[in-house]
Amino acid sequence: EIALTQSPATLSLSPGERATLSCRASQSVSSYLAWYQQKPGQAPRLLIYDASNRASGIPARFSGSGSETDFTLTISTLEPEDFAVYYCQQRRNWPQTFGQGTKVEI
Amino acid sequence: VQLVESGGTLVQPGGSLRLSCAASGLSVSSNYMSWVRQPPGKGLEWVSVIFSGGSGGSTYYADSVKGRFTISRDNSKNTLYLQMNSLTAEDTAVYYCAREGYDLSDTYSGLDYWGQGTLVTVSS
Repeated sequence: EIALTQSPATLSLSPGERATLSCRASQSVSSYLAWYQQKPGQAPRLLIYDASNRASGIPARFSGSGSETDFTLTISTLEPEDFAVYYCQQRRNWPQTFGQGTKVEI
Repeated sequence: VQLVESGGTLVQPGGSLRLSCAASGLSVSSNYMSWVRQPPGKGLEWVSVIFSGGSGGSTYYADSVKGRFTISRDNSKNTLYLQMNSLTAEDTAVYYCAREGYDLSDTYSGLDYWGQGTLVTVSS
């Protein structure tokens, strides 16, 4: 099973600042990595797939990069609605796995 | 596209439960469909997947549920199911169904549609 480790666990920032979230895989996942945003009481929302492709309707301030074992989600300028928990997910192998999440808080 | 889960409730340890996920706007038989769960206050855990294909499809399970949970679908009702047996407190979670998306170039494009979730509580 491929383990995903996200860092930091919590990121304290202000609106307008840049957020950089990390996801590290225990073995290569190629580019089979996705990012999700989850707000309290809501289902997760797909942001990025294939490491760097924005999902439909996702604002350009969200970008993904990386390959193999090291990945980054960047939010260029935080909007108030971006404060949430973010998860990475790999689908290189079954079982697919999620990271433990990074909370972006004000 | 809409996915609507149902069936979550309070159940005693050792009990069984079947969750349903009614789909509209997509065909469960033509898509890879997964169940993902989230214990209260914790992160996401993938549970099971059923592949696309006619009368049946390959299935995979997380080790934590293998042998206890069974994923299936009813093509005529366009509904996905999760049969859960031998439930324990560790199975307490919100259960989501989600579609495994693929883009036009057949590249995996993430879990792109999710239901609102249904809460399963295992407690005596």
